[in-house]
Amino acid sequence: DQQVKQNSPSLSVQEGRISILNCDYTNSMFDYFLWYKKYPAEGPTFLISISSIKDKNEDGRFTVFLNKSAKHLSLHIVPSQPGDSAVYFCAASARGRDDKIIFGKGTRLHILP
Amino acid sequence: GAVVSQHPSWVICKSGTSVKIECRSLDFQATTMFWYRQFPKQSLMLMATSNEGSKATYEQGVEKDKFLINHASLTLSTLTVTSAHPEDSSFYICSATAPNTDNQPQHFGDGTRLSIL
Repeated sequence: DQQVKQNSPSLSVQEGRISILNCDYTNSMFDYFLWYKKYPAEGPTFLISISSIKDKNEDGRFTVFLNKSAKHLSLHIVPSQPGDSAVYFCAASARGRDDKIIFGKGTRLHILP
Repeated sequence: GAVVSQHPSWVICKSGTSVKIECRSLDFQATTMFWYRQFPKQSLMLMATSNEGSKATYEQGVEKDKFLINHASLTLSTLTVTSAHPEDSSFYICSATAPNTDNQPQHFGDGTRLSIL
Protein backbone atom coordinates (compact mmCIF):
# COMPACT_ATOMS: atom_id res chain seq x y z
CA ASP A 1 0.00 0.00 0.00
CA GLN A 2 1.64 3.19 -1.18
CA GLN A 3 1.22 5.96 1.35
CA VAL A 4 2.87 8.66 -0.76
CA LYS A 5 1.98 8.79 -4.43
CA GLN A 6 3.53 10.65 -7.29
CA ASN A 7 1.39 9.72 -10.25
CA SER A 8 3.46 11.45 -12.93
CA PRO A 9 6.65 9.52 -13.64
CA SER A 10 7.99 12.33 -15.78
CA LEU A 11 7.38 15.95 -16.68
CA SER A 12 8.88 18.19 -19.36
CA VAL A 13 8.88 21.94 -18.94
CA GLN A 14 10.31 24.75 -21.03
CA GLU A 15 13.15 26.67 -19.47
CA GLY A 16 11.87 29.81 -17.78
CA ARG A 17 8.37 28.42 -17.28
CA ILE A 18 6.84 27.08 -14.08
CA SER A 19 7.31 23.43 -13.12
CA ILE A 20 4.55 21.93 -10.99
CA LEU A 21 5.12 18.56 -9.39
CA ASN A 22 2.25 16.87 -7.61
CA CYS A 23 2.01 14.45 -4.72
CA ASP A 24 -0.84 12.74 -2.88
CA TYR A 25 -0.77 10.94 0.43
CA THR A 26 -3.13 8.59 2.19
CA ASN A 27 -1.95 8.47 5.80
CA SER A 28 -3.70 11.16 7.85
CA MET A 29 -1.04 10.77 10.55
CA PHE A 30 1.52 12.50 8.35
CA ASP A 31 2.19 15.99 9.63
CA TYR A 32 5.38 16.97 7.87
CA PHE A 33 6.11 16.91 4.16
CA LEU A 34 9.33 17.26 2.23
CA TRP A 35 10.62 17.51 -1.30
CA TYR A 36 13.98 16.13 -2.35
CA LYS A 37 15.95 16.38 -5.55
CA LYS A 38 18.02 13.41 -6.63
CA TYR A 39 20.55 12.55 -9.28
CA PRO A 40 21.47 8.95 -10.17
CA ALA A 41 23.94 7.29 -7.81
CA GLU A 42 23.69 10.13 -5.31
CA GLY A 43 21.80 10.64 -2.09
CA PRO A 44 18.70 12.85 -2.11
CA THR A 45 19.18 16.58 -1.59
CA PHE A 46 16.68 18.36 0.61
CA LEU A 47 14.80 21.18 -1.13
CA ILE A 48 11.94 22.39 0.99
CA SER A 49 9.53 21.20 3.63
CA ILE A 50 6.18 22.14 5.10
CA SER A 51 4.43 21.42 8.35
CA SER A 52 0.78 20.45 8.35
CA ILE A 53 -0.07 23.63 10.25
CA LYS A 54 0.78 25.65 7.14
CA ASP A 55 -0.57 25.62 3.63
CA LYS A 56 2.34 27.27 1.88
CA ASN A 57 6.08 27.56 2.27
CA GLU A 58 8.39 29.45 -0.03
CA ASP A 59 12.14 29.39 -0.45
CA GLY A 60 13.56 31.25 -3.41
CA ARG A 61 12.34 29.65 -6.62
CA PHE A 62 10.68 26.79 -4.73
CA THR A 63 7.21 26.92 -3.21
CA VAL A 64 5.35 24.03 -1.65
CA PHE A 65 1.59 24.08 -1.27
CA LEU A 66 -0.30 21.78 1.05
CA ASN A 67 -4.00 20.97 0.82
CA LYS A 68 -4.75 18.84 3.86
CA SER A 69 -8.39 18.23 3.08
CA ALA A 70 -7.42 16.78 -0.28
CA LYS A 71 -4.26 15.13 1.10
CA HIS A 72 -2.37 16.76 -1.71
CA LEU A 73 0.80 18.79 -2.00
CA SER A 74 2.64 20.33 -4.88
CA LEU A 75 6.05 21.79 -5.56
CA HIS A 76 6.30 24.83 -7.80
CA ILE A 77 9.60 25.81 -9.35
CA VAL A 78 9.69 29.16 -11.05
CA PRO A 79 11.43 30.02 -13.23
CA SER A 80 12.62 26.57 -14.24
CA GLN A 81 16.31 26.29 -15.05
CA PRO A 82 18.34 23.60 -16.86
CA GLY A 83 19.97 22.60 -13.59
CA ASP A 84 16.56 21.67 -12.24
CA SER A 85 16.49 18.57 -14.42
CA ALA A 86 16.53 15.67 -11.96
CA VAL A 87 14.22 13.26 -10.17
CA TYR A 88 12.07 14.88 -7.50
CA PHE A 89 10.79 12.86 -4.56
CA CYS A 90 7.89 13.82 -2.38
CA ALA A 91 8.16 12.48 1.17
CA ALA A 92 6.11 12.50 4.34
CA SER A 93 6.70 11.95 7.99
CA ALA A 94 4.79 11.69 11.26
CA ARG A 95 7.12 13.75 13.41
CA GLY A 96 7.30 13.09 17.09
CA ARG A 97 6.51 9.46 16.54
CA ASP A 98 9.27 7.52 14.88
CA ASP A 99 10.35 10.18 12.41
CA LYS A 100 10.39 7.70 9.55
CA ILE A 101 10.26 9.36 6.17
CA ILE A 102 8.14 7.67 3.51
CA PHE A 103 9.02 8.49 -0.08
CA GLY A 104 6.96 8.58 -3.23
CA LYS A 105 8.21 6.98 -6.44
CA GLY A 106 9.55 10.21 -7.83
CA THR A 107 8.93 12.39 -10.87
CA ARG A 108 11.64 12.92 -13.45
CA LEU A 109 11.70 16.57 -14.47
CA HIS A 110 13.19 17.53 -17.84
CA ILE A 111 13.81 21.21 -18.43
CA LEU A 112 13.81 21.87 -22.14
CA PRO A 113 15.99 24.61 -23.66
CA GLY B 1 27.07 21.26 9.00
CA ALA B 2 25.18 17.98 9.37
CA VAL B 3 27.24 15.94 6.93
CA VAL B 4 26.64 12.23 6.51
CA SER B 5 29.29 10.11 4.84
CA GLN B 6 28.88 6.65 3.39
CA HIS B 7 31.64 4.21 2.53
CA PRO B 8 32.25 2.62 0.13
CA SER B 9 30.47 4.49 -2.64
CA TRP B 10 30.59 1.48 -4.94
CA VAL B 11 31.34 -2.15 -4.30
CA ILE B 12 31.38 -5.17 -6.58
CA CYS B 13 31.67 -8.62 -5.10
CA LYS B 14 30.99 -12.24 -5.79
CA SER B 15 27.78 -13.98 -4.88
CA GLY B 16 27.91 -15.52 -1.42
CA THR B 17 30.18 -12.95 0.18
CA SER B 18 29.19 -10.50 2.88
CA VAL B 19 29.50 -6.78 2.37
CA LYS B 20 29.66 -4.07 5.01
CA ILE B 21 28.56 -0.49 4.36
CA GLU B 22 29.43 2.28 6.80
CA CYS B 23 27.42 5.39 7.54
CA ARG B 24 29.04 8.15 9.56
CA SER B 25 27.79 11.46 10.87
CA LEU B 26 30.84 13.68 10.52
CA ASP B 27 29.99 16.76 12.55
CA PHE B 28 27.15 15.73 14.80
CA GLN B 29 26.00 12.88 16.97
CA ALA B 30 23.18 10.81 15.60
CA THR B 31 21.16 8.73 18.00
CA THR B 32 19.03 7.54 15.10
CA MET B 33 20.09 6.53 11.63
CA PHE B 34 18.03 5.07 8.83
CA TRP B 35 18.86 2.69 6.00
CA TYR B 36 17.12 2.86 2.63
CA ARG B 37 17.32 0.83 -0.52
CA GLN B 38 16.58 2.04 -4.03
CA PHE B 39 16.16 -0.13 -7.10
CA PRO B 40 16.59 1.52 -10.51
CA LYS B 41 13.82 4.03 -11.24
CA GLN B 42 12.10 3.13 -7.99
CA SER B 43 11.44 4.90 -4.74
CA LEU B 44 13.68 4.94 -1.70
CA MET B 45 12.36 2.15 0.49
CA LEU B 46 13.05 2.34 4.20
CA MET B 47 14.70 -0.87 5.37
CA ALA B 48 15.32 -0.21 9.03
CA THR B 49 15.74 2.33 11.78
CA SER B 50 19.02 2.09 13.63
CA ASN B 51 19.19 3.32 17.21
CA GLU B 52 22.48 3.75 19.02
CA GLY B 53 22.99 1.10 21.64
CA SER B 54 19.92 -0.93 20.82
CA LYS B 55 18.60 -3.31 18.19
CA ALA B 56 17.50 -1.96 14.88
CA THR B 57 13.84 -1.83 13.95
CA TYR B 58 13.22 -3.45 10.60
CA GLU B 59 10.41 -2.65 8.20
CA GLN B 60 8.00 -5.34 7.19
CA GLY B 61 9.47 -7.69 4.62
CA VAL B 62 13.11 -6.89 5.39
CA GLU B 63 15.09 -9.90 6.63
CA LYS B 64 17.01 -8.90 9.73
CA ASP B 65 19.33 -11.88 9.44
CA LYS B 66 20.14 -10.90 5.88
CA PHE B 67 20.70 -7.22 6.55
CA LEU B 68 22.60 -6.85 9.82
CA ILE B 69 22.61 -3.38 11.29
CA ASN B 70 24.94 -2.23 14.04
CA HIS B 71 24.87 1.23 15.60
CA ALA B 72 27.68 0.97 18.10
CA SER B 73 28.43 4.67 18.48
CA LEU B 74 26.70 8.00 18.06
CA THR B 75 28.52 8.63 14.79
CA LEU B 76 28.58 5.26 13.09
CA SER B 77 26.03 2.76 11.83
CA THR B 78 26.90 -0.21 9.65
CA LEU B 79 24.81 -2.33 7.32
CA THR B 80 26.13 -5.78 6.50
CA VAL B 81 24.55 -7.65 3.62
CA THR B 82 25.22 -11.26 4.48
CA SER B 83 25.70 -13.95 1.84
CA ALA B 84 24.88 -11.45 -0.87
CA HIS B 85 23.22 -12.60 -4.08
CA PRO B 86 22.55 -10.81 -7.37
CA GLU B 87 19.05 -9.83 -6.25
CA ASP B 88 20.66 -7.83 -3.43
CA SER B 89 22.27 -5.57 -6.01
CA SER B 90 20.86 -2.13 -5.35
CA PHE B 91 21.64 1.39 -4.21
CA TYR B 92 21.79 1.65 -0.43
CA ILE B 93 21.42 5.02 1.26
CA CYS B 94 21.71 5.96 4.90
CA SER B 95 20.46 9.01 6.73
CA ALA B 96 20.85 10.43 10.19
CA THR B 97 18.77 12.63 12.41
CA ALA B 98 20.68 15.76 13.32
CA PRO B 99 19.85 18.06 16.22
CA ASN B 100 18.63 21.60 15.69
CA THR B 101 17.64 21.09 12.06
CA ASP B 102 13.91 21.34 12.41
CA ASN B 103 13.14 21.89 8.74
CA GLN B 104 15.15 18.87 7.61
CA PRO B 105 14.63 15.88 9.88
CA GLN B 106 17.15 13.61 8.17
CA HIS B 107 20.45 14.19 6.43
CA PHE B 108 21.37 11.72 3.73
CA GLY B 109 24.61 10.15 2.67
CA ASP B 110 25.60 9.86 -0.97
CA GLY B 111 24.70 6.20 -1.16
CA THR B 112 26.50 2.96 -1.90
CA ARG B 113 26.04 1.11 -5.14
CA LEU B 114 26.25 -2.62 -4.49
CA SER B 115 26.72 -4.97 -7.43
CA ILE B 116 26.74 -8.71 -6.81
CA LEU B 117 28.13 -10.86 -9.59
